[in-house]
Amino acid sequence: AQSVTQPDIHITVSEGASLELRCNYSYGATPYLFWYVQSPGQGLQLLLKYFSGDTLVQGIKGFEAEFKRSQSSFNLRKPSVHWSDAAEYFCAVGGSRLTGGGNKLTFGTGTQLKVEL
Amino acid sequence: SQTIHQWPATLVQPVGSPLSLECTVEGTSNPNLYWYRQAAGRGLQLLFYSVGIGQISSEVPQNLSASRPQDRQFILSSKKLLLSDSGFYLCAWGGWNTEAFFGQGTRLTVV
Repeated sequence: AQSVTQPDIHITVSEGASLELRCNYSYGATPYLFWYVQSPGQGLQLLLKYFSGDTLVQGIKGFEAEFKRSQSSFNLRKPSVHWSDAAEYFCAVGGSRLTGGGNKLTFGTGTQLKVEL
Repeated sequence: SQTIHQWPATLVQPVGSPLSLECTVEGTSNPNLYWYRQAAGRGLQLLFYSVGIGQISSEVPQNLSASRPQDRQFILSSKKLLLSDSGFYLCAWGGWNTEAFFGQGTRLTVV
């Protein structure tokens, strides 16, 4: 069965500092990978996705993520965090090119990001 | 463009009462539809998904059921709510091999 691990439940960074949120997955093939962000009481917004091709993907709001097959990881990064980035971040794995189903997702438990001014 | 509507935004229901949450999608046809639940301190758990009218797959045994009476309508129901049904319910849709697009969610509190 597929699974996603986000080892950091809470992370606090200062505004302007760099950010890396960790995500590791377990899946039988190279999966589709996603990062979503959720503000309190809101739905989920897609930050970026990896389906195939370049393993470094760019997303919205200045975020990027790198797919590393050898480490089964898909870590999210941002070079300079803004106070408005405070939210909860979810890594998710979906289907694959072999199986399709890119939007039937398994989520990690999320990382709550706090930004100190 | 495609939009997804989910209502109500918040709901407080007594234990043992029925539940009906509705989700509709506009601007697309034959979408995959999903219900997720987010309980306090936990990630998102997939409850049901549907690839077509009348086709429902349940991911976890529970007190809830889902129906898809129309192509772009997905309903989450319960005959008798339990305290453990409290949570944040999210509807989502996706096309073939696309990402999932989420509604704004319903906060359900069972008292």
